[in-house]
Amino acid sequence: DAKTTQPTSMDCAEGRAANLPCNHSTISGNEYVYWYRQIHSQGPQYIIHGLKNNETNEMASLIITEDRKSSTLILPHATLRDTAVYYCIVRSFGSGTYKYIFGTGTRLKVLA
Amino acid sequence: KAGVTQTPRYLIKTRGQQVTLSCSPISGHRSVSWYQQTPGQGLQFLFEYFSETQRNKGNFPGRFSGRQFSNSRSEMNVSTLELGDSALYLCASSVEGSNTEAFFGQGTRLTVV
Repeated sequence: DAKTTQPTSMDCAEGRAANLPCNHSTISGNEYVYWYRQIHSQGPQYIIHGLKNNETNEMASLIITEDRKSSTLILPHATLRDTAVYYCIVRSFGSGTYKYIFGTGTRLKVLA
Repeated sequence: KAGVTQTPRYLIKTRGQQVTLSCSPISGHRSVSWYQQTPGQGLQFLFEYFSETQRNKGNFPGRFSGRQFSNSRSEMNVSTLELGDSALYLCASSVEGSNTEAFFGQGTRLTVV
């Protein structure tokens, strides 16, 4: 079963920040939080990941709460091309295996 | 740097047939994992290969199998196709390590008729 809970859908005005929440209350100390997005049945696209510190890259920022039970993906200036399904995933790195358990994700719609 | 390449992109097969899908990972990536995506079940993990060995397997019947070659390229095979096997099959590759990410290909759209 997926270890994350996300809202089913969200809308965001173009040019505004999109804040996508994710709950992962059962996360373990050896699990990272990953974010991917999928645009209309293309392959999922990697966005960002983190362990416990906030992370930022050219696409987005990831804010992880101090207790690590939830996180927020921030797209600072959403564009129409950011319309996609966003998946929040926790991944254990202890075994080294790459196994993502996807939930249902959040369908983000950016409105003109 | 080339991304993950999956072939073919689209495939139509008849019930009872078998199918082989191919995945070429990003150069230097030795881990290859496979996923099935359907409207009803979403994205589900099939299996993962590393250095020609299956390292992890999802909850799928034995009709679904895979292998990895010495150059890290991977294939997955589905035998005795059923209508419910119609799906987008996605491959992802990654380098070894805990603080790394997987990169997905564009997928193979399989339709079983």
